[in-house]
Amino acid sequence: RKEVEQDPGPFNVPEGATVAFNCTYSNSASQSFFWYRQDCRKEPKLLMSVYSSGNEDGRFTAQLNRASQYISLLIRDSKLSDSATYLCVVTGSGYALNFGKGTSLLVTP
Amino acid sequence: EAGVTQFPSHSVIEKGQTVTLRCDPISGHDNLYWYRRVMGKEIKFLLHFVKESKQDESGMPNNRFLAERTGGTYSTLKVQPAELEDSGVYFCASSQTSGSSTDTQYFGPGTRLTVL
Repeated sequence: RKEVEQDPGPFNVPEGATVAFNCTYSNSASQSFFWYRQDCRKEPKLLMSVYSSGNEDGRFTAQLNRASQYISLLIRDSKLSDSATYLCVVTGSGYALNFGKGTSLLVTP
Repeated sequence: EAGVTQFPSHSVIEKGQTVTLRCDPISGHDNLYWYRRVMGKEIKFLLHFVKESKQDESGMPNNRFLAERTGGTYSTLKVQPAELEDSGVYFCASSQTSGSSTDTQYFGPGTRLTVL
């Protein structure tokens, strides 16, 4: 079983739509949780950390459910520039990042 | 401030040859990481340096891979001899000194390695 599982998509949504991505992780001892964004042929960049209390950054909201080992990312009012691959990332007992394969988002005019 | 830099950006070599990848972390970052993404797979952790010491090398696939970080600044990752399955994108990342798993890891642009 993979450590981090994501729906690969692609998600095709019109501008202004709300879209949600989900992710599950297998290691109940995981300590830290993140969403990274990766544009085509570029490096991953941290989008936001994810906390049990949930956190919001502008149009982006992330939630963590430790009991279900489930992480979500909600994007409101999608922009064309949001088109990218969204990577769910979890740490284990150390500092190594465990990545999901990513969910592809395409926002269309 | 300069970000993480990697050299070369692309490398095409033949099976059996040797390739050395270089990573320069963000200045002052003691933590340096190597990751790899092979075609169709997720990004996978290779190893973690704290300064010049290997903190965790659990992700290194086999002894054909050798990572060094002499002096605790830049790092090199040597593949010798290269095999076809080593093709992929090799990312380097660095994080600051506080030593927490919540520290942001900043990624370099990657080296795209193709083994023919």
